[in-house]
Amino acid sequence: KAGVTQTPRYLIKTRGQQVTLSCSPISGHRSVSWYQQTPGQGLQFLFEYFSETQRNKGNFPGRFSGRQFSNSRSEMNVSTLELGDSALYLCASSSAFTGGGETQYFGPGTRLLVL
Amino acid sequence: AQRVTQPEKLLSVFKGAPVELKCNYSYSGSPELFWYVQYSRQRLQLLLRHISRESIKGFTADLNKGETSFHLKKPFAQEEDSAMYYCALTSGSRLTFGEGTQLTVNP
Repeated sequence: KAGVTQTPRYLIKTRGQQVTLSCSPISGHRSVSWYQQTPGQGLQFLFEYFSETQRNKGNFPGRFSGRQFSNSRSEMNVSTLELGDSALYLCASSSAFTGGGETQYFGPGTRLLVL
Repeated sequence: AQRVTQPEKLLSVFKGAPVELKCNYSYSGSPELFWYVQYSRQRLQLLLRHISRESIKGFTADLNKGETSFHLKKPFAQEEDSAMYYCALTSGSRLTFGEGTQLTVNP
C-alpha cells in the first residue's frame, strides 16, 4: 500500500497570509490526524477527522482549521500566519474504527516557514 | 491531563552496549503506549506498541503500571539504531508525545 502523502513538502509564506496543506491517507484509512512539530514544543496534536467530521481537537487557536473529504483526504488551513507558526506539519492516518488505540501512520510532513 | 516525559534529550552509547531509553507517563485510565522512531531524513514510524508485545529490531518495552513507565530497551545497540525516539500514549484518537530522545550509537 502507498503510504501517507502530504503536499506541498515545503512552503514559504509571509506574516498575515493564509496557507492550506493537504494530506492523502493510506487507502482504506478513514481517520486523519494533524500534528505540529517544533524544536521548542515538540509534537503537538492539532485535530483529528473521521468520516468528514472533526472528532478530536487540540489546544490551538481558531486560526487553525481543517476538513476532510468523502475520499478521506484532508486539508488543514492556517489563517493570518504568525512567525510562530513556522513548523513541520505532520499528517497521520489510521483505520480508527473504534476511535482510539489504533496505530497512526505518518506522512513526511510539510515544512512551513513564515517570514 | 495526560503527559509523557522522556528525561534524556540525548543518549550516547557504544556499539554492542545495552541501551535503555526512559519514558514515564501520567494518565488516569488504561493507556495505550507506543514508541515511534525517526531516522535521519525519514518520516516518523512506529517502532512498537505495548499491546502487541512484539520485539522489533531487537527492541522491547515493558509497561510498568506501578511506576507508570514504558522504558525501551535493547541488549546490544547497533550503529543503525542512531535516531530520534519518541514515547507516546493515546487517548482516543489523540497521540501525546514525549519530548524525544536522540540516541547516538558510536562505533
